[in-house]
Amino acid sequence: EIVLTQSPGTLSLSPGERATLSCRASQSVSSSYLAWYQQIPGQAPRLLIYGASSRATGIPDRFSGSGSGTDFTLTISRLEPEDFAVYYCQQYGTSSYTFGQGTKLEIK
Amino acid sequence: EVQLVESGGGLVQPGGSLRLSCAAAGFTSSIYGMNWVRQAPGKGLEWVSYISSSSTTIYYADSVKGRFTISRDNAKNSLDLQMNSLRAEDTAVYFCAKRGSSSSTGRYFDLWGRGTLVTVSS
Repeated sequence: EIVLTQSPGTLSLSPGERATLSCRASQSVSSSYLAWYQQIPGQAPRLLIYGASSRATGIPDRFSGSGSGTDFTLTISRLEPEDFAVYYCQQYGTSSYTFGQGTKLEIK
Repeated sequence: EVQLVESGGGLVQPGGSLRLSCAAAGFTSSIYGMNWVRQAPGKGLEWVSYISSSSTTIYYADSVKGRFTISRDNAKNSLDLQMNSLRAEDTAVYFCAKRGSSSSTGRYFDLWGRGTLVTVSS
């Protein structure tokens, strides 16, 4: 089973700053199968990025995804107040899916 | 409105059973694979099970294999999760989630329900 490790565990930034979140896989992942989600406490997760770099419908262009192989990145170019949440990466492997443990993005 | 609505959660004793349901509205759910994902209190997301549009392909996480059964009724636009031999560690909010598309690259979850809480405790 592929393990996804996200870093940092918590990221403290101010609105307007740039956020860079990392997702590292224990073995190579097809870019087609790497996705990012945002979860605000008490709410369901929301799809942000699929195929490592494609934005989901309705997602602002300040969100971008990149990476390949074992290293993937979610970048938020200029943080808005509503962006402070928990972010998860996810991959599809052989007959299963796995999520990273999450990165909490908090207001500094 | 396009949405998924889960139901059936509640308090159950260890060793007991519970059946969750997920109702789809506003789209043709029968053409999409569907999943269950859970989140223990204060923890991250854990994928539980997947069922293809025609129910011919089913996957389970190792943690629930042999205890949980996923099924769907396309005529009713519904998805179920039968949970048996429940353990304390099964306590979580259970979300149903729609697969992005039927293509091989559509293996992401683009629509989620709000979840239903399952508590396993004596």
